[in-house]
Amino acid sequence: EPEVTQTPSHQVTQMGQEVILRCVPISNHLYFYWYRQILGQKVEFLVSFYNNEISEKSEIFDDQFSVERPDGSNFTLKIRSTKLEDSAMYFCASRTGIEQFFGPGTRLTVL
Amino acid sequence: AQSVAQPEDQVNVAEGNPLTVKCTYSVSGNPYLFWYVQYPNRGLQFLLKYITGDNLVKGSYGFEAEFNKSQTSFHLKKPSALVSDSALYFCAVRDYGGSQGNLIFGKGTKLSVKP
Repeated sequence: EPEVTQTPSHQVTQMGQEVILRCVPISNHLYFYWYRQILGQKVEFLVSFYNNEISEKSEIFDDQFSVERPDGSNFTLKIRSTKLEDSAMYFCASRTGIEQFFGPGTRLTVL
Repeated sequence: AQSVAQPEDQVNVAEGNPLTVKCTYSVSGNPYLFWYVQYPNRGLQFLLKYITGDNLVKGSYGFEAEFNKSQTSFHLKKPSALVSDSALYFCAVRDYGGSQGNLIFGKGTKLSVKP
């Protein structure tokens, strides 16, 4: 069964550094998403991506964040200058129908 | 604004007993509702969805959910709980304010099933 994959599973970085989180959505899916989950809190929407452009973003998704689909398979989330409060689990999701399918997540720890 | 509420932080059930995890929603139109499960150190796994039609929807691993429009609820149920059902359960609704189907999640309910 096809699944969404994410790398790395855990990323540790210093405050102020850039990080890139990678996702490979399910191959025939058309809509792509990033969500985050701060430890102990609810899952929050960050951004959606369709037809090679951002279609929606939340207030969390400020100028420090960017997304890209550099080729036909990868979907990346970049944080330019990480802050302590960016520490969270980041989930990628994709869909072609109604339900979204989530990857296993990348745990980002900012020191 | 759309929202989802899961009133219980934790639900404790004995193995073999029925379980219910509660969810209520607030949306401006007809809701698209979802349940996801998260096992420790894992991603979110889709369990089931309600779009339209029969109010009782069946999903993976023997779970089902009942849509109740008058009570704006979408409770997750299982007739006989297993220890392996212990996990974090999230209810979600599709955000009608957006156009691309992003989800609004509840805060999650931890289900603990004891032998």
